[in-house]
Amino acid sequence: QVELVESGGGVVQPGASLRLACEASGFTFSSHGMHWVRQAPGMGLEWVAVVFYDATTKYSADSVKGRFTVSRDNSKNTLYLEMNGLRVEDTGLYYCARDSSGTPFDHWGQGTLVTVSS
Amino acid sequence: SYELTQPPSVSVSPGQAARITCSGDAMPKSFAYWYQQKSGQAPRLIIFQDKKRPSGIPDRFSGSSSGTVATLTISGAQVEDEADYHCYSTDITGDLAVFGGGTRLTV
Repeated sequence: QVELVESGGGVVQPGASLRLACEASGFTFSSHGMHWVRQAPGMGLEWVAVVFYDATTKYSADSVKGRFTVSRDNSKNTLYLEMNGLRVEDTGLYYCARDSSGTPFDHWGQGTLVTVSS
Repeated sequence: SYELTQPPSVSVSPGQAARITCSGDAMPKSFAYWYQQKSGQAPRLIIFQDKKRPSGIPDRFSGSSSGTVATLTISGAQVEDEADYHCYSTDITGDLAVFGGGTRLTV
């Protein structure tokens, strides 16, 4: 079955960097686009970024553009999110989610918590 | 920017129909997707492309779209359906991806 396991979250100060990872199993990772979606405490969902199956086409939300970089290693079945210049408002639970033939987020991981605080 | 508007909360008695709306100017041109998120859990896809149901989703969940409003209907809502429901769509260009603010359903 499809499994997505995020890691790399933690507590950091404003301005710091973090690298999140999402390890995938149970499906052909290299055939699917992959997204990052975040959720601030008690708030709704916010789409963060997507990388297409071939690792070359990427898009990100305006709120993270220039600070966050999405990437993937299809040989390791792993999705990444490099986060630089972290802000307090980046605090939240970060989920990775799969895209299937244009249906976004058909499977989700359990999330990894990022807390940005001084 | 592009926004999707959902009511913050909906409350129904068990067995009643629950309807949750999601409005956005690009809805006539873009599909709506619905996700259920129970407390402490990751979201789960329950409706895709306006009205299709993934395997394993009970048929009491249905979706529709008319004009600028997409609607999730839970016919005969059950206590176990208590959750936050999030709609998702894109703007008319397909470049902007956005979630609605979420609706808390109380049964």
